[in-house]
Amino acid sequence: QKEVEQNSGPLSVPEGAIASLNCTYSDRGSQSFFWYRQYSGKSPELIMSIYSNGDKEDGRFTAQLNKASQYVSLLIRDSQPSDSATYLCAVTSGSARQLTFGSGTQLTVLP
Amino acid sequence: GAGVSQSPSNKVTEKGKDVELRCDPISGHTALYWYRQSLGQGLEFLIYFQGNSAPDKSGLPSDRFSAERTGGSVSTLTIQRTQQEDSAVYLCASSLTGEGSPLHFGNGTRLTVT
Repeated sequence: QKEVEQNSGPLSVPEGAIASLNCTYSDRGSQSFFWYRQYSGKSPELIMSIYSNGDKEDGRFTAQLNKASQYVSLLIRDSQPSDSATYLCAVTSGSARQLTFGSGTQLTVLP
Repeated sequence: GAGVSQSPSNKVTEKGKDVELRCDPISGHTALYWYRQSLGQGLEFLIYFQGNSAPDKSGLPSDRFSAERTGGSVSTLTIQRTQQEDSAVYLCASSLTGEGSPLHFGNGTRLTVT
C-alpha cells in the first residue's frame, strides 16, 4: 500500500464548476498536510496547508482534513482554465522528518 | 535570495560520468530536501537535512548517490557513475523549520544521461 494515494485522473471539469481532489494516507501519526500545484514543466508550488480536522478556506480553495478516516481533500470553486495542472497531496510522516508526496491528480478545466 | 536556487538548470552527461547538482536554499531555512521526479511521475524523496542533525538518507536509491550540506546552507547532490535511469528532474526544497512547515521548491535541475 502506498503511503499517500491519489486518483491519477485525468479529471476534467467545465469552467466555473467545483473540482474535487482526494487523497488518502496510511500513517496515522501524520500531522501536517499540504496541497501543491504543478504546472507542466514547472516545480510544485504550495497552495494550501492544513494541520487540524475540518475545513480551511483560502479564496477559491478549500482543504478538508479528516484524520479519523485518514483523508484529505482539496476543493476548487469556480474552476478556471488556469487551474489546469497536476495537484500533489503531501503528508508528513509520523516522525515529521520527511514529506511524502502522492503521485498527483491531473486536472483539466475546460473553457 | 528570494527563493530556492538550483544550478545548473539543465545537465547532459554521458553514462558513467559523475555529476554535481547544487542547491542554495532560502536564507534562514533550516531544513533542506532533495527529491527526484521522473517524466510523468510523482516526487521521490532522496535525502533531508535539518540543522546540525544527521541527514535522513533513507531515500537515496544507491550508493552512487550522496549529498552534503555545508555550513547549514548550500547543498550538493553528487551522482557517481551515472546511469540512464538516473535521468530525471532533481528538485531541491527548503523549509523554515522542517517540522511540518511547508516546502518551497527550486526550479530543478533536468539531468539527462546519454
